Amino acid sequence: DAGITQSPRYKITETGRQVTLMCHQTWSHSYMFWYRQDLGHGLRLIYYSAAADITDKGEVPDGYVVSRSKTENFPLTLESATRSQTSVYFCASSESWGSSYEQYFGPGTRLTVT
Amino acid sequence: KQEVTQIPAALSVPEGENLVLNCSFTDSAIYNLQWFRQDPGKGLTSLLLIQSSQREQTSGRLNASLDKSSGRSTLYIAASQPGDSATYLCAVGTDSWGKLQFGAGTQVVVTP
Repeated sequence: DAGITQSPRYKITETGRQVTLMCHQTWSHSYMFWYRQDLGHGLRLIYYSAAADITDKGEVPDGYVVSRSKTENFPLTLESATRSQTSVYFCASSESWGSSYEQYFGPGTRLTVT
Repeated sequence: KQEVTQIPAALSVPEGENLVLNCSFTDSAIYNLQWFRQDPGKGLTSLLLIQSSQREQTSGRLNASLDKSSGRSTLYIAASQPGDSATYLCAVGTDSWGKLQFGAGTQVVVTP
């Protein structure tokens, strides 16, 4: 049972390039989330999705695009990477909505923008 | 906006001592509160989830309490072990969609 996986685990890219971070979960969870973790800011929500083709912005969505054509995948794209987007990115999933459902996190992708 | 605070930022205890980790939040209208553990360079591992209607939740050596009226949650870890060394994060569920607002974490070191 692979659970939730992210790829790549490490990525170095240059300013201005487009980069896509992948997230895949094997649980068929409805809800998926993208967070970024930065020193001094903790974890902040970028985007979330309630189901295939249903997505919405979180706290820090600028410069990011998401899609969700299949329940199990939730890619995050940086359209034109900036140095301020250097961070560790975590994907998470939850079975359903409501107060009794935990979020489960992937191992993270460490992105460096030079 | 919901703000979540964890104090202290770092904590060092000798093995065998009980750990007490604090989390406070500014808006009592929460859906749930989740405690996570994060090891260096790793993802987050869910430890406990307390629903807004619950006062506490227990799992093995871990016990978490929730007092919405005072905006506080406490994570107790009994008889700490060196393997408990990690950063502990609390996160407040802010709506039914599951959006979480995180605290900055408490870094714990348990010395043998």
